[in-house]
Amino acid sequence: QSVLTQPPSVSGAPGQRVTISCSGSSSNIGAGFDVHWYQRLPGTTPKLLIYGNNNRPSGVPDRFSGSKSGTSASLAISGLQADDEADYHCQSYDNSLSVVFGGGTKLTVL
Amino acid sequence: QMQLVQSGAEVKRSGASVKVSCKALGYMFTSQYIHWVRQAPGQGLEWMGVINPSDGSTSYAQKFRGRVTMTRDTSTRTVYMELTSLRSDDTAMYYCARDLRCSPIRCHYYYAMDVWGQGTTVTVFS
Repeated sequence: QSVLTQPPSVSGAPGQRVTISCSGSSSNIGAGFDVHWYQRLPGTTPKLLIYGNNNRPSGVPDRFSGSKSGTSASLAISGLQADDEADYHCQSYDNSLSVVFGGGTKLTVL
Repeated sequence: QMQLVQSGAEVKRSGASVKVSCKALGYMFTSQYIHWVRQAPGQGLEWMGVINPSDGSTSYAQKFRGRVTMTRDTSTRTVYMELTSLRSDDTAMYYCARDLRCSPIRCHYYYAMDVWGQGTTVTVFS
């Protein structure tokens, strides 16, 4: 059981916008700790997609954006493309002095 | 080019130990903390702990305390993760990953992971 809660799956058609939620608690996201997002394409290692709630590393398209409010965060992907099909994981920090992850969300491009 | 290069796949009997290595290339080895994260089949990512390569200090997830040991060798720019008393549910892909922000000079709290190793498959059989 992951500390952060994500939907197991989301889907969207090419060109559409999808969002993936990440729900935490007052001891992690709600405590003010930043949220980060990773993309894991099939057969590859996780890649940092968003850090510090809404910052993109160099090379990540601006179709990807993040937000945070209260005890939750969201990843939005606009202009959905076939090669966005991947698993997406959120991550934060917890007052228990641990890094915490969500269970991951599988994005299917219809 | 910054990269973390991990050791090869391991197959272990239940009750045994495994030691996975992670060699840092292309950046100052002691400048940023390195985490260990695993992903079991069909499961999400799971944090195991972190090591400060500069002084070797560590912090482990409560779940793994007593079973995991993280060490480093500055002469070879390598960190190690040893997991003992292996069980079948330890079967997973194990990753090392560099902390984007935590350094020996400043680490407010563990942050995002910007460089990942290629992963090491550990299979435990009974």
